[in-house]
Amino acid sequence: AQSVTQLDSQVPVFEEAPVELRCNYSSSVSVYLFWYVQYPNQGLQLLLKYLSGSTLVKGINGFEAEFNKSQTSFHLRKPSVHISDTAEYFCAVARTGNQFYFGTGTSLTVIP
Amino acid sequence: KAGVTQTPRYLIKTRGQQVTLSCSPISGHRSVSWYQQTPGQGLQFLFEYFSETQRNKGNFPGRFSGRQFSNSRSEMNVSTLELGDSALYLCASSLTYRGGTDTQYFGPGTRLTVL
Repeated sequence: AQSVTQLDSQVPVFEEAPVELRCNYSSSVSVYLFWYVQYPNQGLQLLLKYLSGSTLVKGINGFEAEFNKSQTSFHLRKPSVHISDTAEYFCAVARTGNQFYFGTGTSLTVIP
Repeated sequence: KAGVTQTPRYLIKTRGQQVTLSCSPISGHRSVSWYQQTPGQGLQFLFEYFSETQRNKGNFPGRFSGRQFSNSRSEMNVSTLELGDSALYLCASSLTYRGGTDTQYFGPGTRLTVL
């Protein structure tokens, strides 16, 4: 079975500063990797996904992530955050079917 | 195109009761997955349905069941509710069942409170 570790449960960052949300996964086979964002009282919205190809993936809202196979990581980055980026972020791994394994989430708080 | 809809949005039940939650996927999507989200356990996969057949099942007791109809709408049922079943139940739909490459689109969830 896959497992996903999000190393930081809470990340406070000042507005317009860069941010990195860390995600590591364990799997001995190829996987598909995703980042989702959840705003209060809402479902999850896809930010970006890695299926194959280029290891640098660009998503919505200025986010990007880099797949590092040797370190089994898929960290999410944004060069300059906005207040509106305050939300819960989830890293997920999928292999067969549509069974996704999610990390425990990282709460990003952008401080004005 | 309308997104994934879940009804009801909020539910309050008492221990021992049963509950049925409904999910309507995006038009044309044939796969529906269910997740339970709690503060302590995070997001956990319940099951997935494709073409009215359960394809995958997570590690939940038999009190949790589901089904999918010919129009791809799905329901999940929880019998003999326990306090620990209080959670946000999320439904996600995707176009096909194909090895995780299809993006899952999530609904807003049903907030179940068991008293």
